[in-house]
Amino acid sequence: DTGVSQDPRHKITKRGQNVTFRCDPISEHNRLYWYRQTLGQGPEFLTYFQNEAQLEKSRLLSDRFSAERPKGSFSTLEIQRTEQGDSAMYLCASSPDRAMNTEAFFGQGTRLTVV
Amino acid sequence: TQLLEQSPQFLSIQEGENLTVYCNSSSVFSSLQWYRQEPGEGPVLLVTVVTGGEVKKLKRLTFQFGDARKDSSLHITAAQPGDTGLYLCAGAPYNTDKLIFGTGTRLQVFP
Repeated sequence: DTGVSQDPRHKITKRGQNVTFRCDPISEHNRLYWYRQTLGQGPEFLTYFQNEAQLEKSRLLSDRFSAERPKGSFSTLEIQRTEQGDSAMYLCASSPDRAMNTEAFFGQGTRLTVV
Repeated sequence: TQLLEQSPQFLSIQEGENLTVYCNSSSVFSSLQWYRQEPGEGPVLLVTVVTGGEVKKLKRLTFQFGDARKDSSLHITAAQPGDTGLYLCAGAPYNTDKLIFGTGTRLQVFP
């Protein structure tokens, strides 16, 4: 296991289409995070999982966004009816379940462009 | 409301200069991390600070955690062009596992 992997690396879609991204975390990591990042800004928290349980979802996230982690391993992030404002880098990170320490290891991200 | 504010937002310096980046919050954090991110890539972890007042050194980089665990700083000595990138602080507010990121500091070091 060489790290967190995300697929695809790049996605171009037409406005109104649905898209799904996949994240495979480091195998022994219990926590999995999704973030959205626009150019030059820090990653914006979207949601996170502890094993298969989704513990929190950002209030900034519309109902068009949904994430799952069905078996506590890989996760998917789906965006329905995409809008141009959804264009961004979507980052996934995983973290071991260690108290007082939330070190996260990131994938290379999926860059979404909505045209 | 942004829980973690970084300053400055942009920094453009010549090779050999020193610099300090600040990460401030009104909330207490169990630990804070610093990451560096290059264009088109995910952030890469540099260091974690856990104890209030802790200082950690990584070659020319010095990281400090505030005594009250609400702030942190990153100092780079004799910056090099290879230090160019987006520097991010991050942490989980006390008693949560929700990892949030600062606003970011974009550093450009010119030869």
